[in-house]
Amino acid sequence: QQQVKQSPQSLIVQKGGISIINCAYENTAFDYFPWYQQFPGKGPALLIAIRPDVSEKKEGRFTISFNKSAKQFSLHIMDSQPGDSATYFCAAGGTPLTFGTGTRLQVTL
Amino acid sequence: NAGVMQNPRHLVRRRGQEARLRCSPVKGHSHVYWYRQLPEEGLKFMVYLQKENIIDESGMPKERFSAEFPKEGPSILRIQQVVRGDSAAYFCASSSGRGSLKQYFGPGTRLLVL
Repeated sequence: QQQVKQSPQSLIVQKGGISIINCAYENTAFDYFPWYQQFPGKGPALLIAIRPDVSEKKEGRFTISFNKSAKQFSLHIMDSQPGDSATYFCAAGGTPLTFGTGTRLQVTL
Repeated sequence: NAGVMQNPRHLVRRRGQEARLRCSPVKGHSHVYWYRQLPEEGLKFMVYLQKENIIDESGMPKERFSAEFPKEGPSILRIQQVVRGDSAAYFCASSSGRGSLKQYFGPGTRLLVL
């Protein structure tokens, strides 16, 4: 089964809050887990990615937490800003990537 | 601009016509992927190509769709005899290969079939 399940479908967070998006995968052969950010009318932009040999990766305000035994990974956006309002996709692979269905994040003032 | 380029950005076709979508990968990248995105949905893998070779076409519809990545020039996704259900955003991504799994996406082509 190649599915990647992503939740929540939509998320509203106040400015300065923490946004958390979760994904679960089934294929234990997957060894690469990126997150993409997509603004309306634009292509997805690679945000941050993790390999399964580490449990956490942080880049600025963005952190991926990875739980290999549970086959789950999540994106945390610290100090969320209105400019973070976008749709976020998790993905899992190698090649090709299998994408989650997306989370529409809205950060309010 | 060294990013992935796609053209046209918008394409309108009538049912039965052909759609031809072009993708120029990041300079130096030899791997190209095509994805389709329906409104309010995630990206669905279609095909993975290297120069002059189709590596994986497991996501490609069996009929009317074809893709190529010639030795010279852009990758082409071709849809023959388009139907309304083909209306979607089509994204191309590229990677360098050489052990890197990072895929960089283009801005997409939005196809509308009337």
